[in-house]
Amino acid sequence: DSGVTQTPKHLITATGQRVTLRCSPRSGDLSVYWYQQSLDQGLQFLIQYYNGEERAKGNILERFSAQQFPDLHSELNLSSLELGDSALYFCASSVVGGGEQYFGPGTRLTVT
Amino acid sequence: SQQGEEDPQALSIQEGENATMNCSYKTSINNLQWYRQNSGRGLVHLILIRSNEREKHSGRLRVTLDTSKKSSSLLITASRAADTASYFCATRPADDYKLSFGAGTTVTVRA
Repeated sequence: DSGVTQTPKHLITATGQRVTLRCSPRSGDLSVYWYQQSLDQGLQFLIQYYNGEERAKGNILERFSAQQFPDLHSELNLSSLELGDSALYFCASSVVGGGEQYFGPGTRLTVT
Repeated sequence: SQQGEEDPQALSIQEGENATMNCSYKTSINNLQWYRQNSGRGLVHLILIRSNEREKHSGRLRVTLDTSKKSSSLLITASRAADTASYFCATRPADDYKLSFGAGTTVTVRA
C-alpha cells in the first residue's frame, strides 16, 4: 500500500459526459501528479501540482482540468468524454517535485 | 512523446536467472528512476539514481547510469516468479520537475 488513495476504482460513463476523479496523497506529500495510461499511448504525464499550485503541465487536453485543494487532495475533471479517453488514470504523490513518486491504485475509466 | 525508451520490449527468463533491461533517453537529466508495475496496478518505485551517480544497488536490483551515452540499465539478479511485471524507466529533465516514462519492458519469470 503506497498510502495514496484514489476514488472511484472503476467508472463507466457515456460519451459527452463529465467525470471527476479524486486523489488523496500520502501524508506529508506536497506534490501530486496525474497520469493517463492506455495501451496505445503508454503512460502519459498530465499535470503536477505542488502545495496547491500548478507546477508542470504535460499532455493534458483542454477538456481536462485539475486542481489541488488546501488539504492537498486533488481532483481531475474530464469533460466532453470521448471513446479514446478510456484509460487507467493514476495519481502519484511525492514530498518534493522531481523525486520518487508513490502511485495510487488508479481509476479505470471506460467511456461507452 | 516519451523521453525514455526501454529495451527489450519483452523478456522471458527462467527463475534464478538474471534479467537485464536498458533505458535510453535524449536530454540532460537530473535523475532517472525505475518503477515496476504488476498487471493493471499502480507503479511501485524501485530506485532513483542521480545524474552524478554511476551505480546504485537495492537488494537484488542494480542500476547503472552512463550520462555520456544517455543510457541506464536495470539488473535483477536471481529472479523470482514474483518479479514478473512491467518495468519502466522515468527521467526527470535537468530543468523541469515532471517525469517522462518509457514504454516499459515486460518481464516474465518462468518457474
